[in-house]
Amino acid sequence: QKEVEQNSGPLSVPEGAIASLNCTYSDRGSQSFFWYRQYSGKSPELIMSIYSNGDKEDGRFTAQLNKASQYVSLLIRDSQPSDSATYLCAGIPSGGSYIPTFGRGTSLIVHP
Amino acid sequence: DVKVTQSSRYLVKRTGEKVFLECVQDMDHENMFWYRQDPGLGLRLIYFSYDVKMKEKGDIPEGYSVSREKKERFSLILESASTNQTSMYLCATSGTVGNTIYFGEGSWLTVV
Repeated sequence: QKEVEQNSGPLSVPEGAIASLNCTYSDRGSQSFFWYRQYSGKSPELIMSIYSNGDKEDGRFTAQLNKASQYVSLLIRDSQPSDSATYLCAGIPSGGSYIPTFGRGTSLIVHP
Repeated sequence: DVKVTQSSRYLVKRTGEKVFLECVQDMDHENMFWYRQDPGLGLRLIYFSYDVKMKEKGDIPEGYSVSREKKERFSLILESASTNQTSMYLCATSGTVGNTIYFGEGSWLTVV
């Protein structure tokens, strides 16, 4: 069973801090990874995708991929209360599949 | 801009009723998915389709069927709704390049 694991949280950080969300995956051949943000009662919305080892930055968000250690992380700089949501990590397994494997999500709370 | 439309956002149905949930995408994507999401259980794949008239079972297909007569439209059918099918249903799509998954807004179904 190819799995994506996330700590369910909640992760609580003060406003203005860096929030660090982590995800590990079991399929060593996975190539594509995605981070989604999901507000309560809403559908997931794509924040970032990452395909190569290293960092990818988009505004306050940085995704990091380490294929050797099989983890993906999302850093949120200058966290705002509006960032409070559940963050889902997803990976596309190897072997020609296009079906994503999702983690169960990490709840982030940014308190003023 | 990516558009995945779930026309029925909030439904209340009686046990035993037949329920149709429709999803339409405008990205010309080959792959379409139906998930349900329940608290603590994450996203669970019900069915997916990689082409017109093609369908494959996901992790929890029991009690559901699907139809894909046109590339842009993927319908989820509950032949005889039961209370344990009360959930949020999410349609998603992806193409063959990059495999980025895009979600619709979700359909909240309550079966009474």
